[in-house]
Amino acid sequence: AQSVAQPEDQVNVAEGNPLTVKCTYSVSGNPYLFWYVQYPNRGLQFLLKYITGDNLVKGSYGFEAEFNKSQTSFHLKKPSALVSDSALYFCAVRDMRDSNYQLIWGAGTKLIIKP
Amino acid sequence: DTGVSQDPRHKITKRGQNVTFRCDPISEHNRLYWYRQTLGQGPEFLTYFQNEAQLEKSRLLSDRFSAERPKGSFSTLEIQRTEQGDSAMYLCASPRGSGGTLGTDTQYFGPGTRLTVL
Repeated sequence: AQSVAQPEDQVNVAEGNPLTVKCTYSVSGNPYLFWYVQYPNRGLQFLLKYITGDNLVKGSYGFEAEFNKSQTSFHLKKPSALVSDSALYFCAVRDMRDSNYQLIWGAGTKLIIKP
Repeated sequence: DTGVSQDPRHKITKRGQNVTFRCDPISEHNRLYWYRQTLGQGPEFLTYFQNEAQLEKSRLLSDRFSAERPKGSFSTLEIQRTEQGDSAMYLCASPRGSGGTLGTDTQYFGPGTRLTVL
């Protein structure tokens, strides 16, 4: 069965420090991987995705993520955190064998950046 | 702005009433998804349209839920005889094609409709 795990409910980082939000996945075929961010009372905003090619993917707002096939992980990173990065972050996976193109979602990680 | 709009943004209703939500997706795309999101959780897939055809429904979608997409444009999600457990954010998503293999496109979400059942 397809699944996504975000092992940390909350991550606390001081402003200016690097941040990492973890994601691991399980699919039967090759994965397409996505990160979204959700601000309070707002819809989900797309950050970045991995489809194929370079394992390091760069996205919006200075975020990047690294695909690691052997560890089945797709951790979200940013070199220097901003207070405005505080939000809820969701990892999602799609199995490329799934003809309905469904996204399977993690439970989310709350990121808190302290000044 | 993702180009996906939803109406209303908020709906408060009493248990047992019927409610209907509308989604207007990115106009040129033929696929449309509905999700439900409860507080502190990731979105859960409800149903999916390709043009007018509803191709898949989650087991989460009880008989009280129905969705339509007439003419393959906007979509509506109706909940009949609402229950308190239906309180959630209902999200609509529409892909923008990346021009590559189907399934590689990104889903863009509307702002959601927050339903509160009293």
